[in-house]
Amino acid sequence: DTGVSQNPRHKITKRGQNVTFRCDPISEHNRLYWYRQTLGQGPEFLTYFQNEAQLEKSRLLSDRFSAERPKGSFSTLEIQRTEQGDSAMYLCASSRGGGSTEAFFGQGTRLTVV
Amino acid sequence: EDQVTQSPEALRLQEGESSSLNCSYTVSGLRGLFWYRQDPGKGPEFLFTLYSAGEEKEKERLKATLTKKESFLHITAPKPEDSATYLCAVHTSGTYKYIFGTGTRLKVLA
Repeated sequence: DTGVSQNPRHKITKRGQNVTFRCDPISEHNRLYWYRQTLGQGPEFLTYFQNEAQLEKSRLLSDRFSAERPKGSFSTLEIQRTEQGDSAMYLCASSRGGGSTEAFFGQGTRLTVV
Repeated sequence: EDQVTQSPEALRLQEGESSSLNCSYTVSGLRGLFWYRQDPGKGPEFLFTLYSAGEEKEKERLKATLTKKESFLHITAPKPEDSATYLCAVHTSGTYKYIFGTGTRLKVLA
């Protein structure tokens, strides 16, 4: 169990550019979550995958955000035409299936839009 | 709408001074309540899962308890290394997501 891995750890981008983040969940976990966290706030839900199916998305999620989980393994989160308000920590988490179980988080990707 | 509120927002303790953090929730159907610890610049680290009122979990200086409306994280004789933000999250019926509170920032002074 090597834990949830996220890459890159830090990303600085210019406003208007596209960025993509990667998440590798714990290998036996079929549930995968993306969250966003800004300073002083708790993590805010973005989207949820069960295996390769995206089953839930936040109503607040802009059309500029898209996520995939091909073959139910790793996941990517893409932000198109980044804005300064997108600056945040993007967190990925995974959990086992079957009932309500704890989610394990990666170390996050810190995005700064300049 | 499901909601999680944590208090206090910030807490300063002297080393060895025990205290409790509160997480109150208003949800349609609680499936699980989770406590996490988060250090600056890092992802949340899982601490405890609680499923039903009356349940308690313990780990070193931390003990989590659950009632029908709130959960407490009790910290006994804290040490400076316990300084962190403590987050509470709930998993509810009808959704897959975990809903987080804004956290309690704990500072333990030597």
